[in-house]
Amino acid sequence: DGGITQSPKYLFRKEGQNVTLSCEQNLNHDAMYWYRQDPGQGLRLIYYSQIVNDFQKGDIAEGYSVSREKKESFPLTVTSAQKNPTAFYLCASSQTGGQPQHFGDGTRLSIL
Amino acid sequence: QKEVEQNSGPLSVPEGAIASLNCTYSDRGSQSFFWYRQYSGKSPELIMFIYSNGDKEDGRFTAQLNKASQYVSLLIRDSQPSDSATYLCAVNGYNNNDMRFGAGTRLTVKP
Repeated sequence: DGGITQSPKYLFRKEGQNVTLSCEQNLNHDAMYWYRQDPGQGLRLIYYSQIVNDFQKGDIAEGYSVSREKKESFPLTVTSAQKNPTAFYLCASSQTGGQPQHFGDGTRLSIL
Repeated sequence: QKEVEQNSGPLSVPEGAIASLNCTYSDRGSQSFFWYRQYSGKSPELIMFIYSNGDKEDGRFTAQLNKASQYVSLLIRDSQPSDSATYLCAVNGYNNNDMRFGAGTRLTVKP
């Protein structure tokens, strides 16, 4: 079955710690995205990538970093510089930019 | 001014009724428009997308787009309790790299 796999489902971060959220897709999509969702809010774009080895900042990139070394993978690192990381993180992919985006099941990140 | 605006609701309709969800957007150059359904605690699921002015129907769902008035709507016919969820409107800007989401409308369908 084709789809987007995010792991882990739940993640806890200690103060001063960097954590990495995994996102893998087997849909052969070129574009991948990371969003953050806070309770009762819409989705806010953190980073996106239209092609391997290239990515762009979204609206709330501060305190986050990404890489796109393979077409299938787009991991997100939440650094210690992100002071309010508690949120629901969603990874999405689309065939190309402008096409419908399909989402993984998400990762819930909390601070210990 | 918010880029994509939706009435937060909650919108409550009886089972079997038509639910009407509305969305307005600020970027006149927007090219593509999407409706997602999100159940509580779950990730968004694509329901409909529309690129041209007019109506697009898929089963019980109809998306309507009016670019001149900068609004897009979603009609759900014969609403079912299983349709109870938050519906997110999303709009892709001119450069296709920048999808903006509304905060969502919470729909409750009462048996």
